[in-house]
Amino acid sequence: ELKVEQNPLFLSMQEGKNYTIYCNYSTTSDRLYWYRQDPGKSLESLFVLLSNGAVKQEGRLMASLDTKARLSTLHITAAVHDLSATYFCAVALKAAGNKLTFGGGTRVLVKP
Amino acid sequence: NAGVTQTPKFRILKIGQSMTLQCTQDMNHNYMYWYRQDPGMGLKLIYYSVGAGITDKGEVPNGYNVSRSTTEDFPLRLELAAPSQTSVYFCASTQDGRPQHFGDGTRLSIL
Repeated sequence: ELKVEQNPLFLSMQEGKNYTIYCNYSTTSDRLYWYRQDPGKSLESLFVLLSNGAVKQEGRLMASLDTKARLSTLHITAAVHDLSATYFCAVALKAAGNKLTFGGGTRVLVKP
Repeated sequence: NAGVTQTPKFRILKIGQSMTLQCTQDMNHNYMYWYRQDPGMGLKLIYYSVGAGITDKGEVPNGYNVSRSTTEDFPLRLELAAPSQTSVYFCASTQDGRPQHFGDGTRLSIL
């Protein structure tokens, strides 16, 4: 059974500082996704990572994947208030209908 | 394109009632999914479909049923509502391993 764990569960950030969210998964996967969810809203896709060493960047967010360690990280550079949200990683297995197994989420609150 | 459309957005049910949550997508995606999200938690897969006429159970299928008669529609049926089914339900679709597109969700309370 595929398990996905994120840590920390909650991250209180100061504006301007850098932080990292970690996502560990238990078995080999085909794809790893990062999503953002604002309170009371749906999920918004941020990144999809396909191969070992993959790195994707968008603005202040950068995601990376180490398939050997079964670890993905989401790095936030110089946090700003607009990044306050809950971030989820999710792992997919192509042979299993591309269904996603989600981590528990990391709730991020960026304080001035 | 509307993307993934879910109806209703909110619903309150009494214990033992039945209802169908509707999901339709206009992107011609083969893969569709139903998830539930309990407060403060991640999403758990209820059922999924890899194409019209094909459905399969996810992690938490008990108490739910689905059908997939067309590519566009993937309704989720609750037959005998129980308080444990109070949750937010998300429908999603995808194609070719691309990120899943999520609907806006249905907030369901069972009292």
